[in-house]
Amino acid sequence: NAGVTQTPKFRVLKTGQSMTLLCAQDMNHEYMYWYRQDPGMGLRLIHYSVGEGTTAKGEVPDGYNVSRLKKQNFLLGLESAAPSQTSVYFCASSYFRGRGEQYFGPGTRLTVT
Amino acid sequence: QQPVQSPQAVILREGEDAVINCSSSKALYSVHWYRQKHGEAPVFLMILLKGGEQKGHDKISASFNEKKQQSSLYLTASQLSYSGTYFCGTGGYTGGFKTIFGAGTRLFVKA
Repeated sequence: NAGVTQTPKFRVLKTGQSMTLLCAQDMNHEYMYWYRQDPGMGLRLIHYSVGEGTTAKGEVPDGYNVSRLKKQNFLLGLESAAPSQTSVYFCASSYFRGRGEQYFGPGTRLTVT
Repeated sequence: QQPVQSPQAVILREGEDAVINCSSSKALYSVHWYRQKHGEAPVFLMILLKGGEQKGHDKISASFNEKKQQSSLYLTASQLSYSGTYFCGTGGYTGGFKTIFGAGTRLFVKA
């Protein structure tokens, strides 16, 4: 039982490049989330999903897109990376809707130069 | 709207107690508490779902005052392993099931 996994762990991009971050969970959770964490800012919700095939915007969605084609996977895409997107990205999943523990992945450290 | 945590940072000696507060400008139905160690993912501590509810986890407990839209995390007889950043996450009655996290409180316990 791996829990929540994220790939890659580290990535360096040049401004304008694109990339996709993959999140996978093996707990059969309906709800999945993408957060970014910047120093002094806590965790800010980018996008989330309430089930396979559904996605919704969080607090800071601009510049990101997501897809949830399979229940166990939640992809975060950056179409044209900007230095302001340098951050640590965490994926999380939960069984209950807003009232249950969120399980976090180990994070992806992204640097955009 | 992001909940406000206080203090921003605290330094303790092993065995001392600490209180971390979390307040929101919106009505709350849930408060989550997480701890994150440096370079690691946040780890769930507890969730409070009812006004006045208190929960405990070893020597860490929390209370939830729904009327004041506040929660407090109590760490008693702190241990070195308590060091890390503590986040509260709040769920409001609007916005569905989203949990909005505070900026965090950095706690350092020294021997």
